[in-house]
Amino acid sequence: AQSVTQLGSHVSVSEGALVLLRCNYSSSVPPYLFWYVQYPNQGLQLLLKYTTGATLVKGINGFEAEFKKSETSFHLTKPSAHMSDAAEYFCAVRRTGANSKLTFGKGITLSVRP
Amino acid sequence: ETGVTQSPTHLIKTRGQQVTLRCSSQSGHNTVSWYQQALGQGPQFIFQYYREEENGRGNFPPRFSGLQFPNYSSELNVNALELDDSALYLCASSLVGGGGLINNEQFFGPGTRLTVL
Repeated sequence: AQSVTQLGSHVSVSEGALVLLRCNYSSSVPPYLFWYVQYPNQGLQLLLKYTTGATLVKGINGFEAEFKKSETSFHLTKPSAHMSDAAEYFCAVRRTGANSKLTFGKGITLSVRP
Repeated sequence: ETGVTQSPTHLIKTRGQQVTLRCSSQSGHNTVSWYQQALGQGPQFIFQYYREEENGRGNFPPRFSGLQFPNYSSELNVNALELDDSALYLCASSLVGGGGLINNEQFFGPGTRLTVL
């Protein structure tokens, strides 16, 4: 079975500050890892994904994440927060192979202070 | 390229009623997955449809059922609605080929907000 843990339900940063959203996963096989963003009253938008290859993955809107197998982590970072980054962020895991079921964490709400 | 669309946007039902939610997959995609997102929670996998057949199911009772049509669009049906069924229902489409999920990515629609009173 797979699971995702996102510590803390709410993170607040000042505009221009570093954003760090934590994600740890549990998987019996090497997983594919994803970060999605959800703005109010909208669906999910893919920020970035790790499948194979380079462990530092760059995504849209200046976000990046690093897959650390030894720590079973896939933390999301952005060097400088922007007001438009305020949203809900979900980490998700999927097994490799044809089964494309995503298992999501509970999500983290990011607030950005002026 | 047309994205994933869902209808209706919002829906209010009462306990015991039945509801049908609809999803049109992104152009070129052949697989549809449905997720339930309760307030303050992450999405939970309900089931997936591929080639008009259920291809994987999460921990949801049989009163949650679905269909996929030849044009790859899909319906989610929920019978005997309960208060806890109130949630945002998300549809995601993807392209699955002979070797598995292509591009390893699911594209999500905006969701249907279901309220059960």
